[in-house]
Amino acid sequence: GIQVEQSPPDLILQEGANSTLRCNFSDSVNNLQWFHQNPWGQLINLFYIPSGTKQNGRLSATTVATERYSLLYISSSQTTDSGVYFCAVTFPGTPLVFGKGTRLSVIA
Amino acid sequence: EAGVVQSPRYKIIEKKQPVAFWCNPISGHNTLYWYLQNLGQGPELLIRYENEEAVDDSQLPKDRFSAERLKGVDSTLKIQPAELGDSAVYLCASSLYRGYEQYFGPGTRLTVT
Repeated sequence: GIQVEQSPPDLILQEGANSTLRCNFSDSVNNLQWFHQNPWGQLINLFYIPSGTKQNGRLSATTVATERYSLLYISSSQTTDSGVYFCAVTFPGTPLVFGKGTRLSVIA
Repeated sequence: EAGVVQSPRYKIIEKKQPVAFWCNPISGHNTLYWYLQNLGQGPELLIRYENEEAVDDSQLPKDRFSAERLKGVDSTLKIQPAELGDSAVYLCASSLYRGYEQYFGPGTRLTVT
């Protein structure tokens, strides 16, 4: 069936460290988005990236659609990066399907 | 440009009472979505609107949930009667068209006691 799997489920980082979050998906995708859900529950758009590589400040993302995965890179992490990172995918004919998220805690 | 607006932000009701949530999407966005997010999970789609037409409502529990999007702009999601298991965050999102990037509102946290 349709699956979106994220790893790791939990991650604890020291401030200033780098990290890579992974999203695997089970089928070819139409669209892929990365979100950050902050501690107040707001879902913040990070990237809309069905394929290719994008960068925005300390964050970058790469989606290799042919190999069915996407990576989110966070460099020089800050405490404000804490929260849950979701990968969400639209497969042909499906709504946006979310993974279970990666819970990131950045400690000072 | 204003983002997706939702109200109320928090709601506490007793079971069997009705409740309604309101959403105003980003101006010009044709597609509007309502999602349900349970604790520790990702959001799940309840219903999608293309302008004022409800499409893709297969996950909406129609015995107690209803939704409308009059004039193809803002939308209301209603639960009547509410059950204990309805306690969750209800999120509204919008996109220019189906398949385009989706933007989420801050959500309404519902607690049913």
